[in-house]
Amino acid sequence: EVQLVESGGGLVQPGGSLRLSCVVSGLTFSDHYMDWLRQAPGKGLEWVGRIREKTNSYTTEYAASVKGRFSISRDDSKSSLYLQMNSLKTEDTAVYYCARDHPGKAYFDYWGQGTLVTVSS
Amino acid sequence: DVQMTQSPSSVSASVGDRVTITCRASEGIATSLAWYQQKPGEAPKLLIYDISTLQSGVPLRFSGTGSGTDFTLTISSLHPEDFATYYCQQGEIYPLALGGGTKVEIK
Repeated sequence: EVQLVESGGGLVQPGGSLRLSCVVSGLTFSDHYMDWLRQAPGKGLEWVGRIREKTNSYTTEYAASVKGRFSISRDDSKSSLYLQMNSLKTEDTAVYYCARDHPGKAYFDYWGQGTLVTVSS
Repeated sequence: DVQMTQSPSSVSASVGDRVTITCRASEGIATSLAWYQQKPGEAPKLLIYDISTLQSGVPLRFSGTGSGTDFTLTISSLHPEDFATYYCQQGEIYPLALGGGTKVEIK
């Protein structure tokens, strides 16, 4: 059974930092592109960014809203994905999901349950 | 950036009804279009990708059509478990983008 489990969410003040983790099991993590998406309370889904796999040099892509503030990384030895969030703003408040890319496609076929990040003073 | 516009934003329907949701991309996205279903408190679920390919395990009452910039998700006969919010997503051009969602509510 494929499982993606996020952790690291919580309450942080504006301007602060937080690191989210996503541990993946049930598939060969190192073979896949991985993504982060988010959903503000009562709102729609927003793609945050992506990291490719080793054969594509672990390159990354980001949404304009987070570029320069957020950084995605991965540790294939731990089947783990990370989202480092710096200079957090109140508008970053959301449930953050990690997701696997459908092989060869830019769609998301496995999702975690999400972790809530609240940015507030 | 590619903007994805869904309509309607909500629809009220009854069990057994046929429901159609539209998604328009601000520029051509070839065949890189997916649909997701999300129920309250749950993560989204991939239903359809590449415009019309059903993800494994998705019932045949779901179908997708379209090309270029205009796409449609159809539920041929609503089941009680289909009341949810549906999102389209383009996978052709960075940044990847999703539509604003369509909530299918019980009439």
